Amino acid sequence: KNEVEQSPQNLTAQEGEFITINCSYSVGISALHWLQQHPGGGIVSLFMLSSGKKKHGRLIATINIQEKHSSLHITASHPRDSAVYICAVIVYSGGGADGLTFGKGTHLIIQP
Amino acid sequence: GAGVSQSPRYKVTKRGQDVALRCDPISGHVSLYWYRQALGQGPEFLTYFNYEAQQDKSGLPNDRFSAERPEGSISTLTIQRTEQRDSAMYRCASSSNYNSPLHFGNGTRLTVT
Repeated sequence: KNEVEQSPQNLTAQEGEFITINCSYSVGISALHWLQQHPGGGIVSLFMLSSGKKKHGRLIATINIQEKHSSLHITASHPRDSAVYICAVIVYSGGGADGLTFGKGTHLIIQP
Repeated sequence: GAGVSQSPRYKVTKRGQDVALRCDPISGHVSLYWYRQALGQGPEFLTYFNYEAQQDKSGLPNDRFSAERPEGSISTLTIQRTEQRDSAMYRCASSSNYNSPLHFGNGTRLTVT
């Protein structure tokens, strides 16, 4: 089973700072998802990656398949970015995907 | 439908009762995942369907938990003889296939008293 590690677990930063959240996994994957959950809210999918890099607004996600590592970056962070960011991976073994393995999440607080 | 729909939104049940939670994925989505989230905790994977086939049920905590998706669309998660430790938000997500973005439902908040 895949082990998914996220770091840091908690991060407090000032508005405007560049934020990096890391995700490492132990088994080769088919897809990696970055998810966002605001306090008391539902989960929203930010990115789905299987290689390379994606950008959406101030958010950038990268993945290095060889190193089994992905990063989520937030540029010009804002208090509304305060949320839990979760990394989730899917392994496809030919007979069907092996479900989702979630990281424990990174609690991000951006202070004004 | 427009999004992933789950029902009921809230369920309060007494210990020992059975509950059935429903997930209606986006039309045409092949992949459907169930997971749960206890208060203040991260999500915990339960089970996964590809069409009607249950591909992975390794996350189901014990044999009181079962899930089905008989026609490859709507899925039901059933918990028999509920216990207080089953209390959590139960959510499902769907995607058009295993390699596509996930769409999440709003969840069913289960409280076992």
